[in-house]
Amino acid sequence: NAGVMQNPRHLVRRRGQEARLRCSPMKGHSHVYWYRQLPEEGLKFMVYLQKENIIDESGMPKERFSAEFPKEGPSILRIQQVVRGDSAAYFCASSPPSQANTGELFFGEGSRLTVL
Amino acid sequence: AQKVTQAQTEISVVEKEDVTLDCVYETRDTTYYLFWYKQPPSGELVFLIRRNSFDEQNEISGRYSWNFQKSTSSFNFTITASQVVDSAVYFCALSPMNTGFQKLVFGTGTRLLVSP
Repeated sequence: NAGVMQNPRHLVRRRGQEARLRCSPMKGHSHVYWYRQLPEEGLKFMVYLQKENIIDESGMPKERFSAEFPKEGPSILRIQQVVRGDSAAYFCASSPPSQANTGELFFGEGSRLTVL
Repeated sequence: AQKVTQAQTEISVVEKEDVTLDCVYETRDTTYYLFWYKQPPSGELVFLIRRNSFDEQNEISGRYSWNFQKSTSSFNFTITASQVVDSAVYFCALSPMNTGFQKLVFGTGTRLLVSP
C-alpha cells in the first residue's frame, strides 16, 4: 500500500520560471493538503482540496500560486514566476474521508524547490 | 488564534541520556488534537503520536513518552535512553476544531542532536 507520493523530490528553477509539484494521495484518500516549510521553520498550511474542489486556500499566497486536484490524476501545486523566496520544501498530505475530521494526515516525503 | 510554541531551538545530549522536548499550545477551542512528528535528516515527516483534548492520560511507547497537561496547555515529549538515531527535528502540532480539524498548526521545531 503505497504512501503519499510526491514528485519531483528535488526541483531547481531559475527566477521567473514555473514550478509544478505533483502529489498522488494514498489509495482511497480523497482529501489533499499542501504545506510549505521554509528553511529552518515549521510547516505552514497552504491549501486543502478535495476532488475538483478547493475547500480552503487561506494559506496560499494571493499571487503566482495555484493548486488543483482533478477528478483523475494527481494534485498539482503550481508556482508561476518563481522568486528566491519560494525556495522551500513543499509537503503534501492526504486523508480518507473518515479521518478528515480528526486531523490525522499522512505526509509525503516532500518536494524541495530551489530557486536560483 | 492558534499557536504552538517550541521554545527549545536545539538540544544536544549524549547517547543514553533522557531528554524532554517542550511544547506549549494556545487555542480557544475545547476540542482539538495534538501531534508530534519527527523529521530526520532525510527530510520526510514521521508521525509519532496523536492525542485528543479529552484524553489526558500519559502515553508510553517504547523509549518515547508523552505528558499532556491541559492545565498548562503543554504536550511534552520525552525520549528515554536516547540514541544517535533519535537525532532529528521534532515538531509539535495542533489541529483545532474550529478548522474542522483540517489544518495543522506546527511549532517551529526542536532540533535534537544525540552524540555517541
